[in-house]
Amino acid sequence: DAMVIQNPRYQVTQFGKPVTLSCSQTLNHNVMYWYQQKSSQAPKLLFHYYDKDFNNEADTPDNFQSRRPNTSFCFLDIRSPGLGDAAMYLCATHFEGTGAYGYTFGSGTRLTVV
Amino acid sequence: GNSVTQMEGPVTLSEEAFLTINCTYTATGYPSLFWYVQYPGEGLQLLLKATKADDKGSNKGFEATYRKETTSFHLEKGSVQVSDSAVYFCALSLYNQGGKLIFGQGTELSVKP
Repeated sequence: DAMVIQNPRYQVTQFGKPVTLSCSQTLNHNVMYWYQQKSSQAPKLLFHYYDKDFNNEADTPDNFQSRRPNTSFCFLDIRSPGLGDAAMYLCATHFEGTGAYGYTFGSGTRLTVV
Repeated sequence: GNSVTQMEGPVTLSEEAFLTINCTYTATGYPSLFWYVQYPGEGLQLLLKATKADDKGSNKGFEATYRKETTSFHLEKGSVQVSDSAVYFCALSLYNQGGKLIFGQGTELSVKP
């Protein structure tokens, strides 16, 4: 089945140690999003890729970076995780022009910072 | 700006009770509206959607009608089950903003047997 897959499902990292979360999709969608969701809060958009064009939200900390080497894969890099970065990270995709219909979310990666 | 406001939770109901979760929005254009559901420890799943005024989205017994005059998209279900226990998010997207989703704060629903 076509889907959005996030790995790993659970990630534990040390304070200040760089960590990378991955997202892959078999939908051939050209738009990919990364959302951060802290406990009991709404998902917050960090950035998105429109094809290869990177779009950062104004309030996304510099500590968060992203890479999209090809259509299928997108990575979230946290350069120096702090305790406040512990959250669920959600990847989502859709195809240009179908945003009203075709959002697909991955199952998320829950990040713990120790 | 564009925003979504949901009724605060948690909402606790008995099985087979009627459910309403209120959602109102503010948008500068004509948004598409969504309800997403999040089960414990899981990602978000699209529950239903509506793309224009007076559209009714429905799925799994849940319904919501896009009311432009009241800028609302309230979620309803006639008879809830224990398996409906989850967090429900109302969201909007605007085509001219790259289609990104703007979420409400979420409403936790707990259904007791």
